Amino acid sequence: LAKTTQPISMDSYEGQEVNITCSHNNIATNDYITWYQQFPSQGPRFIIQGYKTKVTNEVASLFIPADRKSSTLSLPRVSLSDTAVYYCLVGGGNYQLIWGAGTKLIIKP
Amino acid sequence: DSGVTQTPKHLITATGQRVTLRCSPRSGDLSVYWYQQSLDQGLQFLIQYYNGEERAKGNILERFSAQQFPDLHSELNLSSLELGDSALYFCASSRWGLPEVNEQFFGPGTRLTVL
Repeated sequence: LAKTTQPISMDSYEGQEVNITCSHNNIATNDYITWYQQFPSQGPRFIIQGYKTKVTNEVASLFIPADRKSSTLSLPRVSLSDTAVYYCLVGGGNYQLIWGAGTKLIIKP
Repeated sequence: DSGVTQTPKHLITATGQRVTLRCSPRSGDLSVYWYQQSLDQGLQFLIQYYNGEERAKGNILERFSAQQFPDLHSELNLSSLELGDSALYFCASSRWGLPEVNEQFFGPGTRLTVL
């Protein structure tokens, strides 16, 4: 089964670009990579999903190298409201969902 | 508001007891997922149902069971409760189920405290 590893915490400043990397060495061929955001006392919220290369939506970009053993969530021009925990999720193809432990992102003014 | 509802919001009970958590998915979603979130273990996938049938099983203890009813709401039953079962339990729903990976919409959670 895939195991996901991500940094426990990160700090950045308003207006900066933030990149959070997740390692998933044992990712299966049919697994997808998904990122979620969670605020205190709320359920996680979907940010972005991808299989390979680069995916971009209105709030983030997801970079996945050819070997798919890692992925990087990129948040452009963060604001204070982006302070949250970010989770990497790998799975699907083998009927399993493996969540990372989460990265606590703190944005400073 | 994700459209997923969970009841109750808080639950306090004693060791050895049994509780039932309830979840109603978003309108149109056929799949329901259950998760346990505790401080020391993060989000743990427990089980997934699709249109009334169990589709995938994660790290769900034998003391725990779940089902999805014809109206698509789901219940998670936790029995012989232990102190370590104290956690936040989330339900999520999606249009389709595993192995397809859809965006999951999470409910507000049920906080279970076992004393």
